[in-house]
Amino acid sequence: KQEVTQIPAALSVPEGENLVLNCSFTDSAIYNLQWFRQDPGKGLTSLLLIQSSQREQTSGRLNASLDKSSGRSTLYIAASQPGDSATYLCAGNFGNEKLTFGTGTRLTIIP
Amino acid sequence: NAGVTQTPKFRILKIGQSMTLQCTQDMNHNYMYWYRQDPGMGLKLIYYSVGAGITDKGEVPNGYNVSRSTTEDFPLRLELAAPSQTSVYFCASSYGGAETQYFGPGTRLLVL
Repeated sequence: KQEVTQIPAALSVPEGENLVLNCSFTDSAIYNLQWFRQDPGKGLTSLLLIQSSQREQTSGRLNASLDKSSGRSTLYIAASQPGDSATYLCAGNFGNEKLTFGTGTRLTIIP
Repeated sequence: NAGVTQTPKFRILKIGQSMTLQCTQDMNHNYMYWYRQDPGMGLKLIYYSVGAGITDKGEVPNGYNVSRSTTEDFPLRLELAAPSQTSVYFCASSYGGAETQYFGPGTRLLVL
């Protein structure tokens, strides 16, 4: 069974620091992986989609990496801001037209 | 573009009642999805559709039904509501099965 795991469940970081969020998956035959942001009481907003043929994808202060052989993806956030506080979810597509979600990391940026 | 819209935003149901959660997208996407999100459990796929007239079960389909008569609409029907269906329901759409998914704002459902 394909599983996606995010540890830790919560993370607090002082403003201005760079940080890394982790996502691991059990099936190395991953097709692509998406990172989402969810604000309290809101829907999910797609941040980055990284294909299995890519190693990195960047958008502004965000950089996502994908390592199929180790079953890991990371989301790097540079120069964190209080507005980055949210829950971040990763989801893997394993070639079956469906996403398997992790349970998310709740990020708090401390001013 | 409104993107993905969902109605209602919040609803309280009594056990045994039925209701339909509405989902509409205006991006001409082929794929549409229904998820439920429970605290600390991540999102679970209920049903999905790859195009008008085609639907398929996801991970947790029991107690739900869907239809896809048009490209734009993908309603989710709850029959005989149970407390276990208390959750937040999200609709999403994408152009293809491996493309970025776009989510609606969610419907919070409480079954008492």
